[in-house]
Amino acid sequence: AQSVTQLGSHVSVSEGALVLLRCNYSSSVPPYLFWYVQYPNQGLQLLLKYTSAATLVKGINGFEAEFKKSETSFHLTKPSAHMSDAAEYFCAVGRTGGAQKLVFGQGTRLTINP
Amino acid sequence: NAGVTQTPKFQVLKTGQSMTLQCAQDMNHNSMYWYRQDPGMGLRLIYYSASEGTTDKGEVPNGYNVSRLNKREFSLRLESAAPSQTSVYFCASRWGTDSPLHFGNGTRLTVT
Repeated sequence: AQSVTQLGSHVSVSEGALVLLRCNYSSSVPPYLFWYVQYPNQGLQLLLKYTSAATLVKGINGFEAEFKKSETSFHLTKPSAHMSDAAEYFCAVGRTGGAQKLVFGQGTRLTINP
Repeated sequence: NAGVTQTPKFQVLKTGQSMTLQCAQDMNHNSMYWYRQDPGMGLRLIYYSASEGTTDKGEVPNGYNVSRLNKREFSLRLESAAPSQTSVYFCASRWGTDSPLHFGNGTRLTVT
């Protein structure tokens, strides 16, 4: 069975500082991994996805994530936070081999301090 | 291009009432999903439809039923609403297993 753990339900950084949101996954087969962002009163939007090509994945709005198989991690980073990055972020794992389910983490709320 | 459209956006029900949440996508996606979102619990899968004509249970199917009416539409029905079903419900769709989900804007349901 797959599972996702996001470390830290709330993360607060200053504007211009590094953003690091942590995600660890569990999967018995090679995974597909996704990061989504949710702004208030909206649905989730895709930030980036990993599907077994390059281990460093670049997404929208300057975010990127690195797949580390040895650590079973897929942490999300952005070098310099902007006020507009304040939102909730979700990591999700799917599996290869035709399975249809995506399992989501609990979410991390990112606050940006001026 | 509307993407995934959910109706209604808000609903208040009394315990025991029934209702159907509607979802339609115009992206010709094969798979459709219903999730519920509760504080601190992320998104939990209620039901999904891998392709037209099929439906399967997710993590939390009790108290819900679904219908994949055609390739575009996937509805979620609460036969007898309970306060524990107070939540935000999201419909999503995607092309295939390695493609990302596209989400609607959600239905905020309160059961009193």
